[in-house]
Amino acid sequence: EIVVTQSPGTLSLSPGERATLSCRASQISNTYLAWFQQKPGQPPRLLIYDISTRASGVPDRFSGSGSGTDFTLTISRLEPEDFAVYYCQQYGISPRTFGQGTRVE
Amino acid sequence: EVQLLESGGDLVQPGGSLRLSCAASGFSFSNQGMSWVRQAPGKGLEWVSGISGSGSTTYYTDSVKGRFTISRDNSKNSLYLQMNSLRAEDTAIYFCAQDQGWLHANWGQGTLVTVSS
Repeated sequence: EIVVTQSPGTLSLSPGERATLSCRASQISNTYLAWFQQKPGQPPRLLIYDISTRASGVPDRFSGSGSGTDFTLTISRLEPEDFAVYYCQQYGISPRTFGQGTRVE
Repeated sequence: EVQLLESGGDLVQPGGSLRLSCAASGFSFSNQGMSWVRQAPGKGLEWVSGISGSGSTTYYTDSVKGRFTISRDNSKNSLYLQMNSLRAEDTAIYFCAQDQGWLHANWGQGTLVTVSS
């Protein structure tokens, strides 16, 4: 099973600041790495797929990058609605595995 | 607009069974793979099972193999998860997700399964 590790566990920032979330996967297939945002009481929402492609309707302050085994989600300027938990997932190798999440507070 | 509506979650005793359903609309259901993903209370996400558009290929995480069965009825635009021999550690919100390839593109609101005596 592919292990996916996210850091930090919690990121404490203020609106307007830049957020940098890290994700390390022991292996990925092709570019099959995604990021999801989850707010309390809601299902996850797809933000980024294929490492760096924004999903439909996702603001351009969200960007994904990385290669090999190390990946990053960057939120250029935090808006109040961006405070949430973020998960990365490798979806190219079964079982598809998630990181443990990073809370942005 | 893609809509996914899960149902069937309940309180069940250890060793019991439950069948979850997911009603899909807003896309060509038979052409898309589907998945179940769960989230234990206060915990992270765990992919549980997936199925191809035709239903001919299924996938499971190791912890549910032999206990859970995923299936679909394309004539009813519905996805199912039959859960047998339930354990306390199966307690979670179960989300159904529309897959594009293996990417969970859209998610339902989830249904809560509680396994407890």
